[in-house]
Amino acid sequence: DAGVTQSPTHLIKTRGQHVTLRCSPISGHKSVSWYQQVLGQGPQFIFQYYEKEERGRGNFPDRFSARQFPNYSSELNVNALLLGDSALYLCASSQTGYHQETQYFGPGTRLLVL
Amino acid sequence: AQKITQTQPGMFVQEKEAVTLDCTYDTSDQSYGLFWYKQPSSGEMIFLIYQGSYDEQNATEGRYSLNFQKARKSANLVISASQLGDSAMYFCAMSRSGGSNYKLTFGKGTLLTVNP
Repeated sequence: DAGVTQSPTHLIKTRGQHVTLRCSPISGHKSVSWYQQVLGQGPQFIFQYYEKEERGRGNFPDRFSARQFPNYSSELNVNALLLGDSALYLCASSQTGYHQETQYFGPGTRLLVL
Repeated sequence: AQKITQTQPGMFVQEKEAVTLDCTYDTSDQSYGLFWYKQPSSGEMIFLIYQGSYDEQNATEGRYSLNFQKARKSANLVISASQLGDSAMYFCAMSRSGGSNYKLTFGKGTLLTVNP
């Protein structure tokens, strides 16, 4: 079975631009979470979605938004990009997102903001 | 608030030897989950092992075992018979119950280097 997929793999943007990152969960998984990992740190939680509803949001500005589609795929949008948004963006999926479920991660999207 | 502490920025081990990666956590929750992930230089987070807070037995998955000491709030990862392919970043993470937010909280990671 296919794992979590993310696109694009790499992206270069300039300050002030907008970016959309995409994620397809493992088949049968209904929950998707997004994490930001800056160099030298562990991933930081951004959003969790389950059945198209936002279940949780981390400490990120309103420039960050996300949504989940009926097929459970998800998009992460970042507006007005800042240099500090440069990071690896990881998507993870699980069946229901319950806390004792394992979250399986995709390969990530490396975003560079110049 | 939950917190994960990994005090070893880097560890070295000889091939075929065992290594222990330390993880301590802080939470006031009674029900929580502890996870270890491996992150090679490619970036993907690979799930290794899970321990529930109510599990009485230490979790094991092949060469990986989790030394869970609840009273000390530690969840150390033991890798037996290290292989060159084990060289990577290792992250300890915790999830919690309650509310609607089931996020993972990660530590800063430990870079493991396996020497031939």
